[in-house]
Amino acid sequence: NAGVMQNPRHLVRRRGQEARLRCSPMKGHSHVYWYRQLPEEGLKFMVYLQKENIIDESGMPKERFSAEFPKEGPSILRIQQVVRGDSAAYFCASSPRDRVGDTEAFFGQGTRLTVV
Amino acid sequence: AQRVTQPEKLLSVFKGAPVELKCNYSYSGSPELFWYVQYSRQRLQLLLRHISRESIKGFTADLNKGETSFHLKKPFAQEEDSAMYYCALRETSGSRLTFGEGTQLTVNP
Repeated sequence: NAGVMQNPRHLVRRRGQEARLRCSPMKGHSHVYWYRQLPEEGLKFMVYLQKENIIDESGMPKERFSAEFPKEGPSILRIQQVVRGDSAAYFCASSPRDRVGDTEAFFGQGTRLTVV
Repeated sequence: AQRVTQPEKLLSVFKGAPVELKCNYSYSGSPELFWYVQYSRQRLQLLLRHISRESIKGFTADLNKGETSFHLKKPFAQEEDSAMYYCALRETSGSRLTFGEGTQLTVNP
């Protein structure tokens, strides 16, 4: 089991472009969480998804950000028309149940997005 | 709204010295508290959770509801303990974790 895989590890985008961040959960995990870490800040919850469903998106900015977790394939966090303030590390976590921390939650190594 | 505060961004101790990483929280309900650790170039991983009352790698943490704290302690720090430590809170009714801003612990030889 390779663990939670995020790619790319580093992503550079110009202002106005789109950024797509991918997260492949651990085998057998059907719950995915996305967190964002801005420079000098802690991890902030963005969205919680199960296969084909968004369960909690209360941490997602209202515009330009979207997330999906299709039946097949990885979870995708999509940021449209990126701005410099989107530069951050984006972490994905997966769990086999719907309570992160109830069982051990596994985190990916993150994608560091830089907007130039 | 729930909030987790780690007042120290940086903490430096010598090997063999006791170490305490502070964590305070605010939450109106009955929270579940966790400590996560991120070693250099590695991913974030769960260190311990308050409901287990376990000791992992010599670390312990006790939930003090009166002081709304969940400080992480180790009596004798080791160099390999150097890492970033995050305190996290989960609402009893929810799934998401609220993280503190982290404390970078450095254990000097």
